[in-house]
Amino acid sequence: AQTVTQSQPEMSVQEAETVTLSCTYDTSESDYYLFWYKQPPSRQMILVIRQEAYKQQNATENRFSVNFQKAAKSFSLKISDSQLGDAAMYFCAYRSGGNEKLTFGTGTRLTIIP
Amino acid sequence: DTGVSQDPRHKITKRGQNVTFRCDPISEHNRLYWYRQTLGQGPEFLTYFQNEAQLEKSRLLSDRFSAERPKGSFSTLEIQRTEQGDSAMYLCASSTSGTVGPQPQHFGDGTRLSIL
Repeated sequence: AQTVTQSQPEMSVQEAETVTLSCTYDTSESDYYLFWYKQPPSRQMILVIRQEAYKQQNATENRFSVNFQKAAKSFSLKISDSQLGDAAMYFCAYRSGGNEKLTFGTGTRLTIIP
Repeated sequence: DTGVSQDPRHKITKRGQNVTFRCDPISEHNRLYWYRQTLGQGPEFLTYFQNEAQLEKSRLLSDRFSAERPKGSFSTLEIQRTEQGDSAMYLCASSTSGTVGPQPQHFGDGTRLSIL
């Protein structure tokens, strides 16, 4: 079974600075997808960024980018120019190519310091 | 609002009672998912539908849990004879079944269940 590990329960960053959230996963599959979801307090979970395993290029969405290291099974999220609205729980998630379900990590709570 | 809608937002019930939650997906989405999220954990997959067909169920979905999506639109999740361990946030998500890569799952606000 696939597992997703987020080893940082909490992180904090100064506003306008850069922060990196870590995620590792375990799988024997070659076809899979990885995601970062953001869950603000008492609000809906929203997709931040996704990465296809077959793509070597790291995904980027505005201030959000990933460092996908397939051999190391690592998928970290970098947030540049952190803003107060970035404060949330961030979940790393895995999806097998032949399956619809998402497997989530335990999350990292990100605090932005004004 | 055209997002995923869940009802109720909060449910408090006594142990042993039955509860039912409803999820209305985004209108053009044919896939619907249920997840459970306990405090301090990430969501755990329970089940998913494509149209009205329930295509996958997690082992977490015990015999006391049943989900339906009779007309391929809204879905209900029923828990019979609730137990303390059922206390959690129940999240619904929906997506399309696109042909280019996985389609993003859009989540609702969730139903928070508290068992007294």
